Amino acid sequence: EDQVTQSPEALRLQEGESSSLNCSYTVSGLRGLFWYRQDPGKGPEFLFTLYSAGEEKEKERLKATLTKKESFLHITAPKPEDSATYLCAVGSGGSNYKLTFGKGTLLTVNP
Amino acid sequence: GAGVSQSPSNKVTEKGKDVELRCDPISGHTALYWYRQSLGQGLEFLIYFQGNSAPDKSGLPSDRFSAERTGGSVSTLTIQRTQQEDSAVYLCASSRDRSQETQYFGPGTRLLVL
Repeated sequence: EDQVTQSPEALRLQEGESSSLNCSYTVSGLRGLFWYRQDPGKGPEFLFTLYSAGEEKEKERLKATLTKKESFLHITAPKPEDSATYLCAVGSGGSNYKLTFGKGTLLTVNP
Repeated sequence: GAGVSQSPSNKVTEKGKDVELRCDPISGHTALYWYRQSLGQGLEFLIYFQGNSAPDKSGLPSDRFSAERTGGSVSTLTIQRTQQEDSAVYLCASSRDRSQETQYFGPGTRLLVL
């Protein structure tokens, strides 16, 4: 059974204080690792897809990296508007359509 | 439309009543997914459609839950004889096809069963 564990559950940063969120996974044949951002009362908003170990993707202050066991979402010099819950999900060879999600990391960036 | 839309955005119902939740996927997307997000839990897969057929219904929590999709577009998730434990946010997503393409989510329907 595919499993996704995100840590920490919650993270509080000062504006400009860089940090990383972790997503550990066990999956039978990774077909993709997905990062989403979710604001309160809204649906998840797509950020990145990573397909193979060593792959990296960047968007503004966010950078996602992938190894064979985990993914990191690095946040550089965050701003208050980066405050949200960040969700990690995997798609596996055992199921070529269903995503398995972690419980998310609630990020709060204080001004 | 530009994105996935869902209606209603909020639904309050009494225990034992039936509810229907609607999802309009992104135009041209053939794959459609329903997930449930309960407080403090991750998103839980419910059902997947490719076109109008649902190859996998194994995620539906009980036989009170059913879903259909017509014309390869709009989908309806129906919960019969609602229970308090059905209270959650029901999210719909769509992707271009079944090959693990990125799934784009709607805003969700917040269901509260009293």
